[in-house]
Amino acid sequence: AQKVTQAQTEISVVEKEDVTLDCVYETRDTTYYLFWYKQPPSGELVFLIRRNSFDEQNEISGRYSWNFQKSTSSFNFTITASQVVDSAVYFCALAGVSGNTPLVFGKGTRLSVIA
Amino acid sequence: EAQVTQNPRYLITVTGKKLTVTCSQNMNHEYMSWYRQDPGLGLRQIYYSMNVEVTDKGDVPEGYKVSRKEKRNFPLILESPSPNQTSLYFCASSLNNRGNQPQHFGDGTRLSIL
Repeated sequence: AQKVTQAQTEISVVEKEDVTLDCVYETRDTTYYLFWYKQPPSGELVFLIRRNSFDEQNEISGRYSWNFQKSTSSFNFTITASQVVDSAVYFCALAGVSGNTPLVFGKGTRLSVIA
Repeated sequence: EAQVTQNPRYLITVTGKKLTVTCSQNMNHEYMSWYRQDPGLGLRQIYYSMNVEVTDKGDVPEGYKVSRKEKRNFPLILESPSPNQTSLYFCASSLNNRGNQPQHFGDGTRLSIL
């Protein structure tokens, strides 16, 4: 069975601090995809990134960066110089490549950035 | 604009009164699904559909029905709603079910069953 664990339920940081959101996953598939979604206070789910299991290169997009480590089954998300607008719930998710392949979500990490 | 549209966005109703939450996508996606989001539990899949007339249960299907008569629409039906179905519901679609396609989510429907 597939599982995603986000051990941090809530994190508070002061604006301009860097913050890392942890994501650990479990799967027996050799091919799979990892995702991060952002849910701002308005409630919608915003897709941030997709990474396949064969691509372990880290990725940077502006203040966001992702560190994928297959050896530790982790796909961590770092926000550099956090801003109040980053306050949201962040979900890590995992999908396989066959059958139903629902997105299996972690329980989310609520990030509060304080001005 | 590519989007997934859910209606209504908010609904307060009473136990036992049948309701339908509509979902429509304009991206010609094959795969559609419904999730519910509850505090501390994250998002859990209710039902999914791989294509027209092909639907199946997700992780938490009890108390829900769906249909997929047209590719663009995937309504969620609560025949006899109960308070434990109070939740935030999301419809999602993707090109296919091969996992590599990001799912596009609607804006959510907040249901309160009294």
